[in-house]
Amino acid sequence: GQQLNQSPQSMFIQEGEDVSMNCTSSSIFNTWLWYKQDPGEGPVLLIALYKAGELTSNGRLTAQFGITRKDSFLNISASIPSDVGIYFCAGNSGGYQKVTFGTGTKLQVIP
Amino acid sequence: DSGVTQTPKHLITATGQRVTLRCSPRSGDLSVYWYQQSLDQGLQFLIQYYNGEERAKGNILERFSAQQFPDLHSELNLSSLELGDSALYFCASSVEPAGGKYRGLETQYFGPGTRLLVL
Repeated sequence: GQQLNQSPQSMFIQEGEDVSMNCTSSSIFNTWLWYKQDPGEGPVLLIALYKAGELTSNGRLTAQFGITRKDSFLNISASIPSDVGIYFCAGNSGGYQKVTFGTGTKLQVIP
Repeated sequence: DSGVTQTPKHLITATGQRVTLRCSPRSGDLSVYWYQQSLDQGLQFLIQYYNGEERAKGNILERFSAQQFPDLHSELNLSSLELGDSALYFCASSVEPAGGKYRGLETQYFGPGTRLLVL
């Protein structure tokens, strides 16, 4: 099935550093979502974006809906050990919940 | 805890067999979604049910089927299992937004998943 390209695939960062990751697609999306998945758990929604150019924050997390509607970015500021996990982007191009998920970015935070 | 429950947590079976995965949505949620997460395919949307009726279909194989019962719990049936069906299967639930202004996936809550291993 179709997937979004997410980068980087994995990253190791020092505690306290800022993190950036992005998601690109060849298709236009109407909704962009960012999820975090901890080992053995289901994905948990972090941020939802509904409008091109929209910038939304959730604590130390900030995400943006790209103006071309084909990409989205997630930034995490001042990382902490509990930020460890896999971050997924997801896009919805309309209709009833037909969603495409990104390939995931695995984040490791070194204390 | 998302409020979505899935059973069993782990399942080991052999090729050719049939299994049933169960999901109970959050209280009040009418929609249930099934996803498959494998190492090489990532997270794939399979199917959605709303109040007992199929609403959307994704990359679901013909060997797989699902249903949602009057009490809103859902079951995903996987038959003629193959090695490649080994994966994590997630269920998610959501409540429809008021006024019919459907915006997307923001209200989905994922369960802890069922890990299926086909030997």
